[in-house]
Amino acid sequence: EAGVVQSPRYKIIEKKQPVAFWCNPISGHNTLYWYLQNLGQGPELLIRYENEEAVDDSQLPKDRFSAERLKGVDSTLKIQPAELGDSAVYLCASSQTWADTQYFGPGTRLTVL
Amino acid sequence: SQQGEEDPQALSIQEGENATMNCSYKTSINNLQWYRQNSGRGLVHLILIRSNEREKHSGRLRVTLDTSKKSSSLLITASRAADTASYFCATDAEAETSGSRLTFGEGTQLTVNP
Repeated sequence: EAGVVQSPRYKIIEKKQPVAFWCNPISGHNTLYWYLQNLGQGPELLIRYENEEAVDDSQLPKDRFSAERLKGVDSTLKIQPAELGDSAVYLCASSQTWADTQYFGPGTRLTVL
Repeated sequence: SQQGEEDPQALSIQEGENATMNCSYKTSINNLQWYRQNSGRGLVHLILIRSNEREKHSGRLRVTLDTSKKSSSLLITASRAADTASYFCATDAEAETSGSRLTFGEGTQLTVNP
């Protein structure tokens, strides 16, 4: 069974540019999460989807971050415009339901110059 | 914001020795989970212990939970070089917005020397 797929694995952009990350969860998983992981820190939740509905986005900086999961399967996280402080690893995870074990993708390492 | 604090931040041991990592947290929880992260990779779920459990085993892993002290420990017995990774505790607790939320600690970097 394929795990959580994320792309790209690495992205380098200049500040003020837009960037987008894509995630395909494990087949059949209704819940999808986006996390931000700074160097030397644990992941922090940005947003949680139940199917296509964002049910926990209180920690998403909505002035520059947006996310969508239109058909309740794959998801895109966007930053516009990117700032130097956005350099981090962006992790996607999925679970069958919100009460089940989360499975993480390999992450996208973003560097903002 | 990080709910958990992990101790030590870094741990270096020899192969065959046991490794113990500790985690403290601040609020009431539904359960506590431990994850492993190899360098440059995603997190892998290791074990979950519910708030009404005190100890749980899985292979070479032993987890304890003391809800009165709001702390947990992860013991890895007979460590191997392949156990070298970062280990994170994560608490599952009610979120102010919707349902529950997993909050991770800052992690312990374990190095097992051959």
